[in-house]
Amino acid sequence: SYELTQPPSVSVSPGQTASITCSGDKLGDKYACWYQQRPGQSPVLVIYQDNKRPSGIPERFSASNSGNTATLTISGTQAMDEADYYCQAWDSSTAIFGGGTKLTVL
Amino acid sequence: EVQLVESGGGLVQPGGSLRLSCAVSGFTFSSHWMSWVRQAPGKGLEWVANIRQDGGEKNYVDSVEGRFTISRDDAKNSLYLQMNSLRAEDTAVYYCARALVMGPTNRNFDLWGRGTLVTVSS
Repeated sequence: SYELTQPPSVSVSPGQTASITCSGDKLGDKYACWYQQRPGQSPVLVIYQDNKRPSGIPERFSASNSGNTATLTISGTQAMDEADYYCQAWDSSTAIFGGGTKLTVL
Repeated sequence: EVQLVESGGGLVQPGGSLRLSCAVSGFTFSSHWMSWVRQAPGKGLEWVANIRQDGGEKNYVDSVEGRFTISRDDAKNSLYLQMNSLRAEDTAVYYCARALVMGPTNRNFDLWGRGTLVTVSS
């Protein structure tokens, strides 16, 4: 079965750039999206179709997807960005989520 | 206002059954694929099932195939998940989510409910 692998945790200082990776076999041939989940809240879509931001998502969120790796980048990270982030793709008719990455803003 | 409101969660014994509901408002429910996604306590997200607009296609994660059934009632703007033969490992918050489909493999979950907790324990 298809798997997506994320680092369990990433730390970043306020104002710096955070990068979260998501690895999967030929992931670049699929569309990747990203969700943010703050503690006690439901997930929120922050990136779809590899690199597009839904309405209302700040411009500091960007992403790419090529080869075996998708990357979510948060520029000028703010304290409010501290959350769990999940990548997601589709394999046939099955949705696959990565294990999630806890972003800590120190 | 766009809303997805889940209900029906609770405590159930192993082997028991539960039916979850998701009431939708604020968008044309009948035009969208819909999904259930769950999250075990302290764990990550896991997709459970989805259903096409006309109900003619349903897909499930392997671990629930044959035990769970997804359905919809467009007249009531509601999504359901019938869960039978429940196991301890089914314990999770179950989210209802709208699936935005832009292509065969270009899909995402753009709207989520707040979730309902299912606890399977004796």
